[in-house]
Amino acid sequence: QKEVEQDPGPLSVPEGAIVSLNCTYSNSAFQYFMWYRQYSRKGPELLMYTYSSGNKEDGRFTAQVDKSSKYISLFIRDSQPSDSATYLCATQGGSEKLVFGKGTKLTVNP
Amino acid sequence: NAGVTQTPKFRILKIGQSMTLQCTQDMNHNYMYWYRQDPGMGLKLIYYSVGAGITDKGEVPNGYNVSRSTTEDFPLRLELAAPSQTSVYFCASSSPDRGSYEQYFGPGTRLTVT
Repeated sequence: QKEVEQDPGPLSVPEGAIVSLNCTYSNSAFQYFMWYRQYSRKGPELLMYTYSSGNKEDGRFTAQVDKSSKYISLFIRDSQPSDSATYLCATQGGSEKLVFGKGTKLTVNP
Repeated sequence: NAGVTQTPKFRILKIGQSMTLQCTQDMNHNYMYWYRQDPGMGLKLIYYSVGAGITDKGEVPNGYNVSRSTTEDFPLRLELAAPSQTSVYFCASSSPDRGSYEQYFGPGTRLTVT
């Protein structure tokens, strides 16, 4: 079983839609969870960073962690064409390395 | 702060040639990483370093070498380039020794080996 699983999509939504991106992970020791956004031909940029369970909100973005089901989610409200990118989840289990999902490609259509 | 910078942005190599990908960070992070990213395959860790003079292999180290003589710089060396090394290479840095596990990435180097 892979440590982090992420549906690769692609996901296409109309502008203004609520987007839900999800990952599952296998190691219950993971404590830190991140979402990265990667625009085409650019490096990944950190979008959200949460510790343990619960929700974290930043503008139109909400990151959610459910440790009981080993499930992490990113919600985007009122999605915009500028949100079109690949979104990668990542988690860290106490070591110096991150474990990344393969990314979900999102397109928001005007 | 410039963050993490990488040079060159693009490079075309012939099979058997060698090159060094440069990476520099100005955030005083002790930890640095090299990844490669192939379409649909996610990020794969090549090598990482937890401080000057200390390096360790990641998931896909074959065909690559690294060194870390300063905190700021972490060059990646490709010896005898092969078509399988055609990829986009990202350098990243972080500071888990100070409780910050998130990694910050450079803009990438797009390498083609023909």
